[in-house]
Amino acid sequence: GIQVEQSPPDLILQEGANSTLRCNFSDSVNNLQWFHQNPWGQLINLFYIPSGTKQNGRLSATTVATERYSLLYISSSQTTDSGVYFCAVPRGGATNKLIFGTGTLLAVQP
Amino acid sequence: KAGVTQTPRYLIKTRGQQVTLSCSPISGHRSVSWYQQTPGQGLQFLFEYFSETQRNKGNFPGRFSGRQFSNSRSEMNVSTLELGDSALYLCASSLAGSEGYTFGSGTRLTVV
Repeated sequence: GIQVEQSPPDLILQEGANSTLRCNFSDSVNNLQWFHQNPWGQLINLFYIPSGTKQNGRLSATTVATERYSLLYISSSQTTDSGVYFCAVPRGGATNKLIFGTGTLLAVQP
Repeated sequence: KAGVTQTPRYLIKTRGQQVTLSCSPISGHRSVSWYQQTPGQGLQFLFEYFSETQRNKGNFPGRFSGRQFSNSRSEMNVSTLELGDSALYLCASSLAGSEGYTFGSGTRLTVV
């Protein structure tokens, strides 16, 4: 099955710093989502981005489907950005299930 | 509009018991998927329901089952609980199972 790997696995930043998280996938995909899981466990949908670039405030994401990777950019990080970031791709043919990446644990220090 | 609602938020059960978790999707969403999250295995797909039919199932034993009602609300049941079933159980809804998914806050199950 498809492999979805994320890097780096852990990241510690000072408040105000910028960061880039990467998601590599081993097979072609027709869409991709980025999620943020906060310390209370809730998964928040950040981007639905099958290709191209999208921006939402301090966050932006780029997916290059032909090269099988996606990037999540966080600018001017804040302590509330802390948590785990997951990318996920759907598999299953006519039906869909999400295959999640390994996650990046981000800690933003004040 | 209301998000995905999961109940209960926390649950403690004893080995051998059974448990039922509930998920109410976003209004109008017909696809509900369930995931198990553990520190060792990460986020793993359990099953997906669409219009009351199970469309896809992950690699979990038969102790894990689910169903979906005509109003799209879904329940999952775990019978004969084991310590390893302790996890955060998340459900997600989408319009038809191929677009962006929205997750609930999860049910944290502890088996003692």
